[in-house]
Amino acid sequence: EPEVTQTPSHQVTQMGQEVILRCVPISNHLYFYWYRQILGQKVEFLVSFYNNEISEKSEIFDDQFSVERPDGSNFTLKIRSTKLEDSAMYFCASKGRAEAFFGQGTRLTVV
Amino acid sequence: SQQGEEDPQALSIQEGENATMNCSYKTSINNLQWYRQNSGRGLVHLILIRSNEREKHSGRLRVTLDTSKKSSSLLITASRAADTASYFCAPFAGGTSYGKLTFGQGTILTVHP
Repeated sequence: EPEVTQTPSHQVTQMGQEVILRCVPISNHLYFYWYRQILGQKVEFLVSFYNNEISEKSEIFDDQFSVERPDGSNFTLKIRSTKLEDSAMYFCASKGRAEAFFGQGTRLTVV
Repeated sequence: SQQGEEDPQALSIQEGENATMNCSYKTSINNLQWYRQNSGRGLVHLILIRSNEREKHSGRLRVTLDTSKKSSSLLITASRAADTASYFCAPFAGGTSYGKLTFGQGTILTVHP
């Protein structure tokens, strides 16, 4: 069964460093998303991406965040200068027609 | 996009019992989806019910939808310890296919062996 894959599974980074989280969506999907989940809290929407551009973003998705689909298969989330409060699980999702499929997440720890 | 509100917040049952979780939402929808999240893992799509459907089954799952009351329920029959997880509903209004799904706090289900 096709699945969304995310790498790395765990990333530890120093505050102020840039991180890139990677996702390989399901190949024939057209709609892509990033979500995050701070420990013990709900899953929060960050950004949606369609037709090579951002279609919607939340208030969380400020200038420190960017997304890219550099080669038609990978879908990346970049955090330019990480803060302690960016520590969370980050989930990528892709959607074909209706159901969204989620990756297993990247646990980002900012120290 | 809108967020569903799941009820109860937590549910604890014995293996073999049935578990019922409810979801309420505020505006008209195109479909409503249920997801499961095991601790620290990604969300897994369980079932989708369209606005013109009233009931849908998938294995041990039964979903109902009452659009007049803007509510849905998820029933898990003959529960197993492996069903222990958080369950979320995601009402989808449609309109634009790239519309995001929004998740509430979910129902934490614990099934005791």
